[in-house]
Amino acid sequence: QKEVEQNSGPLSVPEGAIASLNCTYSDRGSQSFFWYRQYSGKSPELIMFIYSNGDKEDGRFTAQLNKASQYVSLLIRDSQPSDSATYLCAVNTLDSNYQLIWGAGTKLIIKP
Amino acid sequence: NAGVMQNPRHLVRRRGQEARLRCSPMKGHSHVYWYRQLPEEGLKFMVYLQKENIIDESGMPKERFSAEFPKEGPSILRIQQVVRGDSAAYFCASSPTGLDTEAFFGQGTRLTVV
Repeated sequence: QKEVEQNSGPLSVPEGAIASLNCTYSDRGSQSFFWYRQYSGKSPELIMFIYSNGDKEDGRFTAQLNKASQYVSLLIRDSQPSDSATYLCAVNTLDSNYQLIWGAGTKLIIKP
Repeated sequence: NAGVMQNPRHLVRRRGQEARLRCSPMKGHSHVYWYRQLPEEGLKFMVYLQKENIIDESGMPKERFSAEFPKEGPSILRIQQVVRGDSAAYFCASSPTGLDTEAFFGQGTRLTVV
């Protein structure tokens, strides 16, 4: 069974520090990797997606993908209290390119 | 361009009743996905539809659940004879293509079965 694993947290990070969120996946055929942010009681919103090994930066966010080790991470620089949310990792595999497999999410708390 | 619209936002049903959840995709999007999210859990894929066609319903329970996406009107997720275990948030997402690369989510319908 294809799985996506995340530490449920909560992960507590002081304001202004770097928050590092990790996600591992079981299917080596996985091709696309997504990070969504979900505030309590709200719907997920896409932050970033990454396809290739390496880093992808967008503002304060950096996604890192290592297919050999089967993990993808999200770094948030200069963390703000408004970044406090649950971060969901989702993976799209080769044999099911319309069906995302979701992790359970990591709850991030940014302390002022 | 309005986002993905789901209604109702909150739905309370007694055990045994029917629940109808509606999803209007973004303009120009013909691909719709339904997900269920239990408290403190990630999203679980339920069904993927294009206009008038069910492409993949492998995530849907075999009984009591059905989905449709008619030529005109919103996509409907229907749950018959609801049970307490059906209580969850149901999210709809739409995309212009079937690749799930830029799926946009609605605000969800929170179903509570009492």
